Amino acid sequence: GEDVEQSLFLSVREGDSSVINCTYTDSSSTYLYWYKQEPGAGLQLLTYIFSNMDMKQDQRLTVLLNKKDKHLSLRIADTQTGDSAIYFCAENRGGSQGNLIFGKGTKLSVKP
Amino acid sequence: DTAVSQTPKYLVTQMGNDKSIKCEQNLGHDTMYWYKQDSKKFLKIMFSYNNKELIINETVPNRFSPKSPDKAHLNLHINSLELGDSAVYFCASSHYRADTQYFGPGTRLTVL
Repeated sequence: GEDVEQSLFLSVREGDSSVINCTYTDSSSTYLYWYKQEPGAGLQLLTYIFSNMDMKQDQRLTVLLNKKDKHLSLRIADTQTGDSAIYFCAENRGGSQGNLIFGKGTKLSVKP
Repeated sequence: DTAVSQTPKYLVTQMGNDKSIKCEQNLGHDTMYWYKQDSKKFLKIMFSYNNKELIINETVPNRFSPKSPDKAHLNLHINSLELGDSAVYFCASSHYRADTQYFGPGTRLTVL
């Protein structure tokens, strides 16, 4: 399909790991991104991965990329209540045009 | 030290009016963007612009027009506002097209 797909909701307990999954569409996308949006706030760039990488780790965040399946995941270790937000996966589609195509976002709820 | 800023944060107006939203970035980036986030949190590119080229998403009505007085600013003008224009509008910038994009805090537009 044409859309970037994400599950809409994820609920975890504080201290557990969260895994948010995303399926993208354009195999020529050079960068794939994760953005975080807290309620009433803007989009915060969390992390990104270049398409020739399989994994990227940044403190509590681990991004895994499976290019063959066009599957991207974001793992948040030791999830905290402050991690509650909507997480958007985005691909940089259209080559040099630079347009980001976003998934519909996964709302992460962290229960104490 | 705000990177990408937008004004106003909230805008409430009547149908048929003309309004503008301002965006400024102090990152020295060459490319700026406007995105629309609807009530279901779905984000969609409207425009991307650098000093050489304006790329318009074909689904954007021509009532919307970006205006760039200089490299650090990309304002969004909307004519003849309609109820369906109610959304959150995000400005973003990147060093060049296809590079990582940084977002402003958003402007919530409500058309009555």
